[in-house]
Amino acid sequence: GENVEQHPSTLSVQEGDSAVIKCTYSDSASNYFPWYKQELGKRPQLIIDIRSNVGEKKDQRIAVTLNKTAKHFSLHITETQPEDSAVYFCAARGSGNTPLVFGKGTRLSVIA
Amino acid sequence: GAVVSQHPSWVICKSGTSVKIECRSLDFQATTMFWYRQFPKQSLMLMATSNEGSKATYEQGVEKDKFLINHASLTLSTLTVTSAHPEDSSFYICSRQTREYGLNEQFFGPGTRLTVL
Repeated sequence: GENVEQHPSTLSVQEGDSAVIKCTYSDSASNYFPWYKQELGKRPQLIIDIRSNVGEKKDQRIAVTLNKTAKHFSLHITETQPEDSAVYFCAARGSGNTPLVFGKGTRLSVIA
Repeated sequence: GAVVSQHPSWVICKSGTSVKIECRSLDFQATTMFWYRQFPKQSLMLMATSNEGSKATYEQGVEKDKFLINHASLTLSTLTVTSAHPEDSSFYICSRQTREYGLNEQFFGPGTRLTVL
């Protein structure tokens, strides 16, 4: 089955700096890669996703890149703000009605 | 608005009792729903896949007799934690996928925090 590795487990950045979180996956058949933001005690919220037919996607301060050959994808947050502080999870899944497999998460702290 | 609801949002129970958690798909008849468990400061771990009208598919290491899943209708899946113990204390989250074929977004319920004393 799919296995998703995520690094780093914790990340501290100064407000205004960029943050990068990286994930690798094992199943070459996976074709959907979402990123979730989870605040304490709340459900994961989708912040951006990318499909295997696209190499990069951007939404304001957030971007995701995908390298299918290397089987890794990354989340980039620019101009970080204190409200970006949360736990971020990457995930991967294949086609059909298969569930998401999550990375272990990255606790991002943005220091004002 | 929310497309998946869960009830209760939190529950405290005594060791040895059973707890039922309901997950409802509000806008779409979901033939498949997923149950995840999240321990503090850990990731979401898939417990089982709930299939309407048939038996659930459990992940390795998840006891099917302890975590009973019932998906009797297209909008409701329930997870019952039987004979709960303190180590079952966790955040339980259900989810389903979008209705549109080809779009993969997975929506999560608000979660249920279970504390077993």
